Order: sequence, then structure tokens, then C-alpha cells
Amino acid sequence: IAGITQAPTSQILAAGRRMTLRCTQDMRHNAMYWYRQDLGLGLRLIHYSNTAGTTGKGEVPDGYSVSRANTDDFPLTLASAVPSQTSVYFCATTLAGGSSYNEQFFGPGTRLTVL
Amino acid sequence: DAKTTQPPSMDCAEGRAANLPCNHSTISGNEYVYWYRQIHSQGPQYIIHGLKNNETNEMASLIITEDRKSSTLILPHATLRDTAVYYCIVRVASNDYKLSFGAGTTVTVRA
Repeated sequence: IAGITQAPTSQILAAGRRMTLRCTQDMRHNAMYWYRQDLGLGLRLIHYSNTAGTTGKGEVPDGYSVSRANTDDFPLTLASAVPSQTSVYFCATTLAGGSSYNEQFFGPGTRLTVL
Repeated sequence: DAKTTQPPSMDCAEGRAANLPCNHSTISGNEYVYWYRQIHSQGPQYIIHGLKNNETNEMASLIITEDRKSSTLILPHATLRDTAVYYCIVRVASNDYKLSFGAGTTVTVRA
């Protein structure tokens, strides 16, 4: 793998179903993020993890959970999907350190439709 | 983090310079200016960042005013592939690396 992979690429899901969006990176970046992007609202941060074993809430965390068991993987789970969670989901990573330079690298996105 | 204001859209002719303004009048002394862009249906891509000095890389130049209340991203020779949404983000360099994306500027490069 090179960079960030997300799976699935797209998914249609029935409301009430549980769904896990996967994000895997091979850059050994310590910080990872999940954003959702909706038309007219830009990107909004859902959850983040500054390092393996820690997670934090972003701007729109309700209805989502994350875990960070290791450096490479940062899955996002929708316990019971609702139509308002229809969106494009982007995973991102940063090599966090003492510098100001914190370029975030983004994955290709997952397009999720909840019916 | 300081709030930014960008025009919602702008057009640019192919081959000409594109100058994208960003207002951040409440910026603090320890806040950096970052620019990202998002080409249709792709994830955002880092372009450049700066604190108070002008910066240049292979993609663009960043001009920050002396009072740091505004900045301009310059794409020196715009191509059709530069058509994208451009985001100006201001944040403190710290151990918290979260980014807050606004609506950005939709730049359309026309042949």
C-alpha cells in the first residue's frame, strides 16, 4: 500500500444497520482524523486520534465511534445508521511533532448513502 | 483558532496568475496560515503554509501582509487542473493538529 486507503469506496446502507468505515495508512503517521463532507457545509471533523491508544471528539461526533488500537488503522463505526449520516467520509493523517509543519494527507474518501 | 473569510468563487484565465485572497483580521501572533485545495471528489491536498514571511514552493506562493490580517495565495500560471475549492485555514502550531475547514473559494480556470 502507498499512503492512505479507505474501504469501502462507496456503500448503500439501510437505516438502523451498523457500519464500519476502514482507514489504513502505511506512513507511520501518529495522528489520524475522520471528516465528513456534505454539500454546502465543507469538511467537518468527526473524531481524531493524536496517537495510538487515544481518541478525541471533533465538531460532529454524535452517532459515530472510533478506536485506535495501533498506528496504522483508524476505523469509524456507525452503530445505527441514520439518513442524516449520508455523506462523503475522508480519513486523514499527520506526522505530528514539534514543528509547525503539519501537512494533513487525505484518503480517497468513502461515499455512504443511508436509506 | 482565528476565523477566515474568503470569496465564495472566482474565475481565472488559463495561463494567467490566480490571486486568491483570505482575510484573517483576528489572527494571533502564534497562528499560522495554511492553504489546502480540493479537486472535485478527491480528498483535500496541502499547498503551502506560512507565519509572517512570504513563502514559495513548486505549487504556489503565499503573500502575508505585514500586519498579518490578510494573505494571498498566488498560482503563478493557472491550468485547467487547478480548478478546485481552495481553503485558507489559520491555526496555532501546537500538539493539537486538527484543521477547521470553512467554505473556501471555488476557483474555475477557463481556457
